[in-house]
Formats: sequence, structure tokens, C-alpha cells
Amino acid sequence: QLQLQESGPGLVKPSETLSLTCTVSGGSISSSSYYWGWIRQPPGKGLEWIGSIYYSGSTYYNPSLKSRVTISVDTPQNQFSLKLSSVTAADTAVYYCARRSLCSSTTCYGFGNGWFDPWGQGTLVTVSS
Amino acid sequence: QSVLTQPPSVSAAPGQKVTISCSGSSSNIGNNYVSWYQQLPGTAPKLLIYENNKRPSGIPDRFSGSRSGTSATLGITGLQTGDEADYYCGTWDSSLSAVVFGGGTKLTVL
Repeated sequence: QLQLQESGPGLVKPSETLSLTCTVSGGSISSSSYYWGWIRQPPGKGLEWIGSIYYSGSTYYNPSLKSRVTISVDTPQNQFSLKLSSVTAADTAVYYCARRSLCSSTTCYGFGNGWFDPWGQGTLVTVSS
Repeated sequence: QSVLTQPPSVSAAPGQKVTISCSGSSSNIGNNYVSWYQQLPGTAPKLLIYENNKRPSGIPDRFSGSRSGTSATLGITGLQTGDEADYYCGTWDSSLSAVVFGGGTKLTVL
């Protein structure tokens, strides 16, 4: 059973860089059928997609965050990571990592027609001095 | 403000049926598959529906999805108290080049 687990500091100072890692277990991050992504949820608010990465390093980023986001992959470690620079209090959120499936039982699609499953349990990152 | 519009809340009695709407445009729902997610209190979102109307293994057939034009709908029949959660629709927006989610709908089972 595939599992994802986020890890990283729970507190980051304003203007610094938020760094999180997602460790994938029970399956390979190098599968051709999946992208791997980050989604965040500010306290009491809805979901916001941050970006996604393929095992080859190909990425998609949310244009609203693109200038501050870097997502990277470490296939030997079966991990992928998020860096968000110049953080402010508005970046305080629960950060989830998730697998984005591109293939059903019969068909494979482009990135846009995928879906997120499963999700990690999430990690709360607070931006505060 | 979300690109996809969902009602903030819906409610119904146990055993009844409820529908949750997700309204978008031709740049998102109208031309891309919709997925739905259930977020129980204090937990991570969980996939309920993908490709507009397909259920992953383990999701009961009480949950259904449909799409018509630029809107999608999640249906839940035989409501249970354990269905109380926030529900989110999601899809790709071709104009924004981004995955977008609805603002979420809180389901209360009275």
C-alpha cells in the first residue's frame, strides 16, 4: 500500500525559505504513470495546489506561486521536496504531498486530467518570528 | 475567491440524499476531468471520484459523480453521520495552466 509522509520544520521565520520533504513508501517514485505534488491548506480555508513533479524532473507549478517555488525529486531516496522562498504569514498552512495519477485501468491522460490519490497526512507549517 | 464555485454548506437527514454542485467554465470543468475529495475533520483529503464519475476501489456506490457542460455534481445517498465532512471538487484550468479546487462544501448530517 503506497504511503506518503511529509517532514520538515514546523516553524519558519518571515522572509526565509520553507523546506519540506515527502517520502514515498510501498511503491516507486519512478513510475511512468504518476506525477508527485504539493497542495496546501491555510487554517480554516480551502485547498491550493502548489506544484507537481515527474520522476524525470519535469514540473508544473501554480503560476501564482511559481516565482517562489522549487520542487525537486530524489529517485534513489524515493523522495521529492518543496522549497518556498520569501515566506510570509500568508504561507502558514497545512502542507500535503500527494501522488497525481495519470492512468485509469484503460487509458492514460495528460497532466491536466489526473487526480490526487493518495495523500500524506499533512504537516502544519507556521510562519512567524 | 476560487475558480470553481461550490455552495459553502449543505445538510440533510440520515438516510437521505444530497447533491453538491461545482460550477466552472469551459477552460476548466467544460474540457477537463473532475475529481472529488472528502476531508473528514482533522484528516487529509481522500479521493472519492475521478474522471468525472469513476469511484476508486473501496469507495461505496452511495457516492456518485456527474458532469454536464461546465458544472459537476457529487451525489451521496443513504447519508450517514460518518459522511459529515468537507467536500472539494478539483480539475485543471487550461487558461490558468493550474490545478484548481472549489472552495469546499461542508456537509452536515442532521
